[in-house]
Amino acid sequence: GAVVSQHPSRVICKSGTSVKIECRSLDFQATTMFWYRQFPKQSLMLMATSNEGSKATYEQGVEKDKFLINHASLTLSTLTVTSAHPEDSSFYICSARDKTTSTDTQYFGPGTRLTVL
Amino acid sequence: GQNIDQPTEMTATEGAIVQINCTYQTSGFNGLFWYQQHAGEAPTFLSYNVLDGLEEKGRFSSFLSRSKGYSYLLLKELQMKDSASYLCAVRDGGFYGGATNKLIFGTGTLLAVQP
Repeated sequence: GAVVSQHPSRVICKSGTSVKIECRSLDFQATTMFWYRQFPKQSLMLMATSNEGSKATYEQGVEKDKFLINHASLTLSTLTVTSAHPEDSSFYICSARDKTTSTDTQYFGPGTRLTVL
Repeated sequence: GQNIDQPTEMTATEGAIVQINCTYQTSGFNGLFWYQQHAGEAPTFLSYNVLDGLEEKGRFSSFLSRSKGYSYLLLKELQMKDSASYLCAVRDGGFYGGATNKLIFGTGTLLAVQP
């Protein structure tokens, strides 16, 4: 299957700082990427859809000014958590849509564990 | 509204067969996916169904009935490494306009395989 990377895999930051997470599709071009958040023992909650060259589409209840998404190229999307607070601590996972497959499948990155102190 | 239901937990024995059910009620439907997720890791793609029937891939099979809003994942010859969460996800949208390719995830089924 297709490979999606995320960086960093783990980050610890102080409250009030900003954290940037990168999501890359390594062997295919992804015009659409997705950002999810997952709390312990819960399922994935979609935060936003990232479209190359245009503004991201945010899900209801997700603050666009707090979670900045940039999809500047066909292989890279970034999520910046601005002014992070302890309640933002979570597992953030990106996925990239591979339209070249017959199933038009989303492939997931390995995730980023964010801990805000 | 969007609703996807799965059992929260299941336990099975190594070498046995287990069936994980998923029922869904969504505003749109453009395919159903099953993913496997080990603790602390990202989900990995297992199977995809868009038409009614059974899709087989090695030890894993997935079934879909669109009229019933029902799917199941069948795991055969269970191995200890199959202990993981199994996520059912429905893709939003139709073929003509409005298709967002968004995945709506169920809560996941935590499968424990015992010796």
